Amino acid sequence: AQKVTQAQTEISVVEKEDVTLDCVYETRDTTYYLFWYKQPPSGELVFLIRRNSFDEQNEISGRYSWNFQKSTSSFNFTITASQVVDSAVYFCALSLRGAQKLVFGQGTRLTINP
Amino acid sequence: DAGITQSPRHKVTETGTPVTLRCHQTENHRYMYWYRQDPGHGLRLIHYSYGVKDTDKGEVSDGYSVSRSKTEDFLLTLESATSSQTSVYFCAISESFLGETQYFGPGTRLLVL
Repeated sequence: AQKVTQAQTEISVVEKEDVTLDCVYETRDTTYYLFWYKQPPSGELVFLIRRNSFDEQNEISGRYSWNFQKSTSSFNFTITASQVVDSAVYFCALSLRGAQKLVFGQGTRLTINP
Repeated sequence: DAGITQSPRHKVTETGTPVTLRCHQTENHRYMYWYRQDPGHGLRLIHYSYGVKDTDKGEVSDGYSVSRSKTEDFLLTLESATSSQTSVYFCAISESFLGETQYFGPGTRLLVL
């Protein structure tokens, strides 16, 4: 079975702090895909990143970075110099090649305080 | 942004009444999905479609049916709404099953009294 665990239910930091959101996944398949989505207070789900299981290179996009480690089955997300606009619920998700669904973690609610 | 709309955006209904939610896309993507989002459960797949008139069940399909008569429209029907179906419903689309990114619509907030 596939499973995604986001152990941090809520995180609260002060603006400009760095923050890391943890994501641990379980699958027996060798080909899979990992995603992060952002759900701001307005409620929509915004796609952030997709990685496949064969690409362990870390990725950086502006203040966002992702660390993918197959050895620990983790795909962590770091926001550097956080801003109030980063406040949202963040979901990590897993899909398998040929599978019809995304398996979501329960989400981490991130609050950035001014 | 992917062209996905959902209607209605908000709905209040009574137990036992039928409800239909609509998802419309302008991306011509073959695959469409319905998820529900509930506190403590993240998002869970209800039904999905892999083409016109081709649909299949997800993990929480009981009490729901779907139809897809056109590429751009995917309907979710609650035949007889129950309070346990109070949720936020999201439609998603993707080009393929092969690990492609799913893009989500804005969601429909449904309250069953």
